[in-house]
Amino acid sequence: AQSVTQLGSHVSVSEGALVLLRCNYSSSVPPYLFWYVQYPNQGLQLLLKYTSAATLVKGINGFEAEFKKSETSFHLTKPSAHMSDAAEYFCAVTRSGNTGKLIFGQGTTLQVKP
Amino acid sequence: DAEITQSPRHKITETGRQVTLACHQTWNHNNMFWYRQDLGHGLRLIHYSYGVHDTNKGEVSDGYSVSRSNTEDLPLTLESAASSQTSVYFCASGPDDYGYTFGSGTRLTVV
Repeated sequence: AQSVTQLGSHVSVSEGALVLLRCNYSSSVPPYLFWYVQYPNQGLQLLLKYTSAATLVKGINGFEAEFKKSETSFHLTKPSAHMSDAAEYFCAVTRSGNTGKLIFGQGTTLQVKP
Repeated sequence: DAEITQSPRHKITETGRQVTLACHQTWNHNNMFWYRQDLGHGLRLIHYSYGVHDTNKGEVSDGYSVSRSNTEDLPLTLESAASSQTSVYFCASGPDDYGYTFGSGTRLTVV
């Protein structure tokens, strides 16, 4: 079975500061991992995904995440926050391959202060 | 272009009524999922399907049902709507090179 824990339901950073959103996963099989972003009153948009290739994954809008098997983590980072990054971010896990439930964490709301 | 569409976007219904939310994808994905999103709970899996005539219960399946008669559609039915089912519902399909694709959501209010 898979599960995801996102540490911190709310994260606040200043514009230009580093963004770090934490995600730890549990999986009994090799996982695929995802980060999604949701802007207010919209659906979910894929930021990036890990599917057992490179452990450092680059996504859209300057975000990246590193898969660390030893720490069972997949933290999302961005060197410099922009006001437009304010949104809710979800980490999700599924098992590798083409079948598996996609399980989400509880989400982290990112606030960016001017 | 391929897409995944949900309808209706907004629905108000009365307690006890049967309600069906539609999800239609033209990606030709085998896997389809239904989630509900509630404040503080993230997205919780209701039902999912790995292909035609395959359906499985997720973590919050009580009071919901799905059927998969073709690749494109996975309708979600609330057998007897309850106020606790007021939520935003998302349908998703995948995976492919883009991961999983989500619909725009249906906001359901049960009064």
